[in-house]
Amino acid sequence: DTGVSQNPRHKITKRGQNVTFRCDPISEHNRLYWYRQTLGQGPEFLTYFQNEAQLEKSRLLSDRFSAERPKGSFSTLEIQRTEQGDSAMYLCASSRPPRGDTQYFGPGTRLTVL
Amino acid sequence: DQQVKQNSPSLSVQEGRISILNCDYTNSMFDYFLWYKKYPAEGPTFLISISSIKDKNEDGRFTVFLNKSAKHLSLHIVPSQPGDSAVYFCAASGTGTASKLTFGTGTRLQVTL
Repeated sequence: DTGVSQNPRHKITKRGQNVTFRCDPISEHNRLYWYRQTLGQGPEFLTYFQNEAQLEKSRLLSDRFSAERPKGSFSTLEIQRTEQGDSAMYLCASSRPPRGDTQYFGPGTRLTVL
Repeated sequence: DQQVKQNSPSLSVQEGRISILNCDYTNSMFDYFLWYKKYPAEGPTFLISISSIKDKNEDGRFTVFLNKSAKHLSLHIVPSQPGDSAVYFCAASGTGTASKLTFGTGTRLQVTL
């Protein structure tokens, strides 16, 4: 069991560029979550998948954000036309039913938009 | 609307003493509560959890207490060690929340020698 992994760990981009992050959950965890954390705040929920189905999206997830989990394993989070306000730590977590509330987090991807 | 609140941004405790971190919540639908520990530039690490059917859960040096009537929980660390210095987040989930976690803003614990 290697835990949740995220790539890249750091991303610096210019405003207006597109970025994509990858998350590999703990194997056999069928639930996968994305959160965003800004300085001085706790993580905020963005979206979650059960297997390949995206079941919920937060209002924080604007139209510029899209997430996929095509085969129910790894997931990608894409941000189009990045803005400076998108600078944050993007965290991925996974869990396994029957009670999937204990979520295990990856190390995060730190995004800086210049 | 902050549904999970950690009103103490920081706490300093001497090594060997008890650390008590507090958390309040407002959403009565929350029925599962967790504590996470976070070091800089790392993701949160799960510490301990408690279901609303219990009022106490213990795991080694960590104990979580839940007072449902007051909508309050606390994490006790005994004895505190320098390696416990980190930011601690309280989180909650519940029926109808799709198991998504709602986090507090965190308490920075510093354990001094």
